[in-house]
Amino acid sequence: DIQMTQSPSSLSASVGDRVTITCRASQSISSYLNWYQQKPGKAPKLLIYAASSLQSGVPSRFSGSGSGTDFTLTISSLQPEDFATYYCQQSYSTIFTFGPGTKVDIK
Amino acid sequence: QVQLQESGPGLVKPSQTLSLTCTVSGGSISSGDYYWSWIRQPPGKGLEWIGYIYYSGSTYYNPSLKSRVTISVDTSKNQFSLKLSSVTAADTAVYYCARTVVAPGGRVVRFDPWGQGTLVTVSS
Repeated sequence: DIQMTQSPSSLSASVGDRVTITCRASQSISSYLNWYQQKPGKAPKLLIYAASSLQSGVPSRFSGSGSGTDFTLTISSLQPEDFATYYCQQSYSTIFTFGPGTKVDIK
Repeated sequence: QVQLQESGPGLVKPSQTLSLTCTVSGGSISSGDYYWSWIRQPPGKGLEWIGYIYYSGSTYYNPSLKSRVTISVDTSKNQFSLKLSSVTAADTAVYYCARTVVAPGGRVVRFDPWGQGTLVTVSS
């Protein structure tokens, strides 16, 4: 299986901050990388697919980049509704795996 | 837009079979444009993909669960279902169903949208 890691595991930030989350795959996954946002008690929501494509309806302050093994999710100006846990997920392998998550909370 | 809703017992005894159904509304499972997945999340932990099904009945399972998992589809009811046998406390989780987007050429690419999830507790 392809292992996904994320860093940091958690971070504290203020409204208006620029936030960057990193995801790393154990082998090259080309651009087959998605990002999801999960709020407490809710289902994950797709934010970014194919490493850098913004899902319809998702605010433009979210962006993704990377290819191969290293990827980033950036929130350009953190908003109150962005405090959540973020997961990356690879779809290169037919055994789809997720990262362990990065929790973004209020400083 | 398409919506998914999980249903089924919230409590299952150890060694028994967990059974859940996902009802799809706002779109047809039989359209052929998507696969349909089950994903789970133990309390306070990360996400694990369980498997998916195509409207034709073709399935693919996570090898880590393959010996215990059956996913089936009922196109007449626009539903698909999960059965997980011989459950233990380790199977306690929120179970989600999700539409599985397939790129041209057939490669599965992402999960969107997801159902709200249903908590299944394995306990005697």
